[in-house]
Amino acid sequence: DIQMIQSPSSLSASVGDRVTITCRASQDISNYLNWYQQKPGKAPKLLIYDASNLETGVPSRFSGSGSGTDFTLTISSLQPEDIATYFCQQYDNLLLTFGQGTRLEIK
Amino acid sequence: EVQLVQSGAEVKKPGESLRISCKGSGYSFTSNWISWMRQMPGKGLEWMGRIDPSDSYTNYSPSFQGHVTISVDKSINTAYLQWSSLKASDTAIYYCARQRRAIFPDYWGQGTLVTVSS
Repeated sequence: DIQMIQSPSSLSASVGDRVTITCRASQDISNYLNWYQQKPGKAPKLLIYDASNLETGVPSRFSGSGSGTDFTLTISSLQPEDIATYFCQQYDNLLLTFGQGTRLEIK
Repeated sequence: EVQLVQSGAEVKKPGESLRISCKGSGYSFTSNWISWMRQMPGKGLEWMGRIDPSDSYTNYSPSFQGHVTISVDKSINTAYLQWSSLKASDTAIYYCARQRRAIFPDYWGQGTLVTVSS
């Protein structure tokens, strides 16, 4: 299985801050990586697909980058509604695997 | 609007059987595979398997092969996840999700909490 390691596991930031979450794959996955947002008690929501493509309807303050084994999700200016858990997911092979998640809180 | 609506929370005893459901709407149900994921308490997501609603072809994670059954009734746009004999370790939230390009989940259901306790 391809292991996905996210960091940090939790993060506290202020409104307006630039926030960066990283995800590292245990092997080269090209750009076959997604980022999801999950708010408490809600279904996960696709934010970024193919490592850097913004899903329709997602605010432009969200962006993704990276390829190979190292990937980044960036929120350019944190908003109160961005409080959630974020997780990455690879689809390089049929056995999909997910990162453990990063819990984002407002300072 | 694409929606996946899952059945409600379940409380079961060890050894009991269970089937939970996932009804799709707002798109052509047979055009996209459906995946199931597990999220155990305080843990990350695990992919369990997927089904092609057009022909019921399934593909399971080795971790779940033989422990669950994924099926579909395309006449009512509904996918199912089934256990024949539950264990306490099956306690988790289970999510269904539509697959984009038959590869990755895009739209997700709201989740079904399954609690298995004697």
